Amino acid sequence: QQQVKQSPQSLIVQKGGIPIINCAYENTAFDYFPWYQQFPGKGPALLIAIRPDVSEKKEGRFTISFNKSAKQFSLHIMDSQPGDSATYFCAASNEGSQGNLIFGKGTKLSVKP
Amino acid sequence: KAGVTQTPRYLIKTRGQQVTLSCSPISGHRSVSWYQQTPGQGLQFLFEYFSETQRNKGNFPGRFSGRQFSNSRSEMNVSTLELGDSALYLCASSLTGNQPQHFGDGTRLSIL
Repeated sequence: QQQVKQSPQSLIVQKGGIPIINCAYENTAFDYFPWYQQFPGKGPALLIAIRPDVSEKKEGRFTISFNKSAKQFSLHIMDSQPGDSATYFCAASNEGSQGNLIFGKGTKLSVKP
Repeated sequence: KAGVTQTPRYLIKTRGQQVTLSCSPISGHRSVSWYQQTPGQGLQFLFEYFSETQRNKGNFPGRFSGRQFSNSRSEMNVSTLELGDSALYLCASSLTGNQPQHFGDGTRLSIL
């Protein structure tokens, strides 16, 4: 019930491509879904977050798509750049308990020049 | 605005010892959460503190403990260290816990 399943584990795309990372959850009480980006030697940095009342949210080149009925959400990176090469984590939590994030296992993205 | 600061950045300990890690949240943030990151288990929630009180706790043994001070700075302590405690320990802060969390760069703990 508490799991967040993330796929794929790793992803290689060419510069300009649109990598897509998918996450699925089971706990219907989850109502806050952030995405984090982590570079080696650094802590995770918040990229973008969505709540279930919205089906899509864009911030710059990053887009979250959310499907409440399927209990799935995904991250799309438009016009990907080599600088986007990092590990991406999806997460989920309950309203009122955002201090307790349940994370997916991460996706290592490599963007080739 | 300064980010979340964790000290020390690196620690090497031996089995059986204990360790204390420190976290200074973003100014004004009152919620501090701790996470353990390992290659095998990923990012796992340890506990959350708000206004000096533990508000949430993850599924870790009692050897893992924490506290928060009146200035919102937090410490976590691990006693009787085991080899499996080797990990990156991350601290995150938010205004009240109901806001986005911002992470520090972590403390890398190695157990020999």
